[in-house]
Amino acid sequence: DTGVSQDPRHKITKRGQNVTFRCDPISEHNRLYWYRQTLGQGPEFLTYFQNEAQLEKSRLLSDRFSAERPKGSFSTLEIQRTEQGDSAMYLCASSSDRRTTYEQYFGPGTRLTVT
Amino acid sequence: DQQVKQNSPSLSVQEGRISILNCDYTNSMFDYFLWYKKYPAEGPTFLISISSIKDKNEDGRFTVFLNKSAKHLSLHIVPSQPGDSAVYFCAASLLQGAQKLVFGQGTRLTINP
Repeated sequence: DTGVSQDPRHKITKRGQNVTFRCDPISEHNRLYWYRQTLGQGPEFLTYFQNEAQLEKSRLLSDRFSAERPKGSFSTLEIQRTEQGDSAMYLCASSSDRRTTYEQYFGPGTRLTVT
Repeated sequence: DQQVKQNSPSLSVQEGRISILNCDYTNSMFDYFLWYKKYPAEGPTFLISISSIKDKNEDGRFTVFLNKSAKHLSLHIVPSQPGDSAVYFCAASLLQGAQKLVFGQGTRLTINP
C-alpha cells in the first residue's frame, strides 16, 4: 500500500475564487470519504463514495461544494465561490468493504486558507 | 449535537506510566469504535478499534475498553513513550450503510521524560 495521497497540501485563495482538491485512495479500496477539520475539532464527515457512486452527503456540504469520483479511482472536491468559513483542513480517507475490519485510512490533508 | 465527546482537551503523563484517554458517546446505535492518533501536519493514523460485541481489544501497548451500558470507551497506553505525544481522536460508526466516522474533539497527550 502506498497510502492515501492528497494534492495540494496547502492552498491559499481569495474569497470568491474556486478551488479543487484531489485525493488518490489506496488502490484496492472501493470506499472513499471526504472530511473537514477545523481548529480544535475532530474531522467532520462531508461525503462518501462507493466505487464511482456518491451515496451520502452531509448537510455540511452546501451547493457550493461538489465531489466526483470518476471511474471509481481518484476523487476531486471542488468548492465554488469560496468563503472565509471554508478555511479548514480537508481530509480524504479510503477503506475496503472486502475486509473484516472497518478502519479508514487517511491522507495528509489539504489545508485551505481563504483570505 | 456532539454525539461523541472527549471531555479532556489535554493530558500529561510521565514516560513509562499508563496513559488513559476517555471518550463518551450518546448514540446507542453506534456499533464500531476506533481510536486515531494525529501528529501536526499529518492525517489521522488508525491505532485500534473495537466492535460493540466486545468489551476489550488489545494490540501491543494499546488496549481499548468499551462499556456499552455507560456509553463510554477508553484507550490505555502502557507503558507511555515520548513518541506517543500527539492528539488522539475517538470515533464511532454504524456498520450499516456508509460507515462514516463521527469523531470526538480530540485529546492532546503529552508524555514527559
